[in-house]
Amino acid sequence: DVKVTQSSRYLVKRTGEKVFLECVQDMDHENMFWYRQDPGLGLRLIYFSYDVKMKEKGDIPEGYSVSREKKERFSLILESASTNQTSMYLCASSSSRPNYGYTFGSGTRLTVV
Amino acid sequence: QQPVQSPQAVILREGEDAVINCSSSKALYSVHWYRQKHGEAPVFLMILLKGGEQKGHEKISASFNEKKQQSSLYLTASQLSYSGTYFCGTEQATDSWGKLQFGAGTQVVVTP
Repeated sequence: DVKVTQSSRYLVKRTGEKVFLECVQDMDHENMFWYRQDPGLGLRLIYFSYDVKMKEKGDIPEGYSVSREKKERFSLILESASTNQTSMYLCASSSSRPNYGYTFGSGTRLTVV
Repeated sequence: QQPVQSPQAVILREGEDAVINCSSSKALYSVHWYRQKHGEAPVFLMILLKGGEQKGHEKISASFNEKKQQSSLYLTASQLSYSGTYFCGTEQATDSWGKLQFGAGTQVVVTP
């Protein structure tokens, strides 16, 4: 069964901490994405990557960075966590072949206190 | 840039039909539809490409009008398992990387 695995289901961090969210996929997909999901706002794209070591900003990159050192792993980094980054974070991957859907991970609910 | 979905929520009895709409102000290459059940990951339902095609998944079908940059998802003879939040994801015609912009979602509740 193909999977996108996010390392933590729930996470509580303090304001100012550096936070790492990890995502691993086993489908050999080229594209990987980080979204945050907030009630009433849907899913908003933070960053995405179309190849190892390549990254592109999404719609709301401020306060975040990413790392993709291996094809299967895409990490989201909150440089200095703030309370307005409390959210559900979803990782997704997709093939670079046209017309493929995304496979999502189960999400990490991050609370910053 | 995010597409606009309507309605925000719909309550159905089993066997009833519903339509969810998704519209964008940008020229689109494709529209995806996903369903997310509470506490779970969104699950891919179908993709529609420009060309106005229609697709189906179980008794769920969708259409795409590329001239209007609109897509509609049709829930026919709804079942309890159809409950969840439905998201449309749009890929802009000018985009090279297949990234999607998602709508705010439509919550569907199917009651016995």
